Amino acid sequence: GEDVEQSLFLSVREGDSSVINCTYTDSSSTYLYWYKQEPGAGLQLLTYIFSNMDMKQDQRLTVLLNKKDKHLSLRIADTQTGDSAIYFCANPSGGSYIPTFGRGTSLIVHP
Amino acid sequence: DAMVIQNPRYQVTQFGKPVTLSCSQTLNHNVMYWYQQKSSQAPKLLFHYYDKDFNNEADTPDNFQSRRPNTSFCFLDIRSPGLGDAAMYLCATSVHRGPNTEAFFGQGTRLTVV
Repeated sequence: GEDVEQSLFLSVREGDSSVINCTYTDSSSTYLYWYKQEPGAGLQLLTYIFSNMDMKQDQRLTVLLNKKDKHLSLRIADTQTGDSAIYFCANPSGGSYIPTFGRGTSLIVHP
Repeated sequence: DAMVIQNPRYQVTQFGKPVTLSCSQTLNHNVMYWYQQKSSQAPKLLFHYYDKDFNNEADTPDNFQSRRPNTSFCFLDIRSPGLGDAAMYLCATSVHRGPNTEAFFGQGTRLTVV
């Protein structure tokens, strides 16, 4: 299987919460990341979490890390149409500190 | 202002005709990366430079080469593009390689092979 796995699509209604999930295989990383890619643009770092934390909150974003299950999630509260994008989970693997990306989850926000 | 700039945004090349994609950065970062992103797939690292030190991924085809003449510029050369090389090519930079290192991406070059 892939080193980093994500579901491909998520559709939510504007104002609802979105939860994007990711599982990974390499647990040696010190940090795990979420990147956002808007249409026609490159990837942009959205948030990250230190591996000895279970949760990190940053305004509308909440990152949850379950190290035992190697599961990372990104929750976006009060999702807006401007949040429509592809969200990539990234896990620097093999001790190289170079991000290894999942396939990305396309978040579609509809009115 | 854009910090990682890729040119061109769209490139069409003929099957087998060498093509070069370029990337420049104004961040003075030590590390520059090239990723290949095919539709609905994860960005796949092709290689990276740490300063002048070139690091090739084991599964990067020999058809792909890279040059970094100075800190600011990095080029991706595809010697004989095949139809399977059509993809978005992403350039990224980081100040160093470390456990908490943000990568800054350009907008990508979408390569079409005809």
